Amino acid sequence: DTEVTQTPKHLVMGMTNKKSLKCEQHMGHRAMYWYKQKAKKPPELMFVYSYEKLSINESVPSRFSPECPNSSLLNLHLHALQPEDSALYLCASSQGVQVGTLHFGNGTRLTVT
Amino acid sequence: GNSVTQMEGPVTLSEEAFLTINCTYTATGYPSLFWYVQYPGEGLQLLLKATKADDKGSNKGFEATYRKETTSFHLEKGSVQVSDSAVYFCALTNQGGKLIFGQGTELSVKP
Repeated sequence: DTEVTQTPKHLVMGMTNKKSLKCEQHMGHRAMYWYKQKAKKPPELMFVYSYEKLSINESVPSRFSPECPNSSLLNLHLHALQPEDSALYLCASSQGVQVGTLHFGNGTRLTVT
Repeated sequence: GNSVTQMEGPVTLSEEAFLTINCTYTATGYPSLFWYVQYPGEGLQLLLKATKADDKGSNKGFEATYRKETTSFHLEKGSVQVSDSAVYFCALTNQGGKLIFGQGTELSVKP
């Protein structure tokens, strides 16, 4: 069982919808990450939070809005997405941004119609 | 810049065959090296890692040795099982802490 929990597992949304992806870890990690993964490709880094502050935004479009309410939780708010945004969205955590290895959740499979 | 190159897949093997997945890297300084595995429908799991030259990482029968002279970190397993079917990603982190992945190698093991 993964120690990083993501919900929902699957999400289908229209281009005008607003939805949120959620991620939770209870390992005491202080760095949390969002990745986007297309089929049979490596994950692409989107955002990094360190000590609940956004430290890296990899030039992600504003229709993706991350939020870190506390050290255990990470959200990704979605609005006005495009069909090409359909992908597996992975959350990960580590002890620190440059400390420890990444622990990944099982992801949310997002389909934009 | 920093990059990772893996052998292209898919790789198809019979059960109990020997596995090698090649991985070479380009990096400044002294990166840490990783192999992650992604089973169908799941996220990535750390398979093994090595943090300095000549270190050998091992887990679940898989091994990889950090070779600085050849800038390689090839993944090997002596006898694969059907349950090893997955996508394998070689990766490195540098001083910036960002995890840089190779393109992934899909392994299919047939009974």
